[in-house]
Amino acid sequence: EAGVTQFPSHSVIEKGQTVTLRCDPISGHDNLYWYRRVMGKEIKFLLHFVKESKQDESGMPNNRFLAERTGGTYSTLKVQPAELEDSGVYFCASSQSGGLAGISSYNEQFFGPGTRLTVL
Amino acid sequence: AQRVTQPEKLLSVFKGAPVELKCNYSYSGSPELFWYVQYSRQRLQLLLRHISRESIKGFTADLNKGETSFHLKKPFAQEEDSAMYYCALSGPSGGYQKVTFGTGTKLQVIP
Repeated sequence: EAGVTQFPSHSVIEKGQTVTLRCDPISGHDNLYWYRRVMGKEIKFLLHFVKESKQDESGMPNNRFLAERTGGTYSTLKVQPAELEDSGVYFCASSQSGGLAGISSYNEQFFGPGTRLTVL
Repeated sequence: AQRVTQPEKLLSVFKGAPVELKCNYSYSGSPELFWYVQYSRQRLQLLLRHISRESIKGFTADLNKGETSFHLKKPFAQEEDSAMYYCALSGPSGGYQKVTFGTGTKLQVIP
């Protein structure tokens, strides 16, 4: 069974350029998350989709970041224009929804391999 | 604000020695605490969560609300335990699906 997949695995771009990262969640998982790890710092939450809707985007750093999940399947995260401080590893995760468990406790999130973004 | 602190960036122990990876947290209320692990060239994966009270791969972690700690322990380290370990939490005030991670501790088990 395929897990969460992310594309590309690496991306090197110049400051000011645009990059789009893609995430395909585990089939049947309504919840999709984006996280980012900047070198030397913690893995930080960016946002959470439930199907195609943004449930929580409180972690998005600024309006240069745009996440979409059209149709509630795969998601894209676009950075435009990219800045040096955007460099890091971007992780995607997905989880099931489930009754009370989805509201009152944590549903295990399954992580993708990450996309390493380098902005020069 | 919720926060997870892992004071050690690197912990080196000899095979067969006890392991303790430290984790402290700050949170207003009752969070759920987790340990995630990332082995070399593998994905980040959930190791254990405090509500399960399980021992996974010989690891245990006890939630100490008085000390706001959730240290990960194993009595005898194995070489295959070498990995990056992240303590994390989630809870009602931030939304149970929004996970806050620590900066991670790299465990190196020396043969």
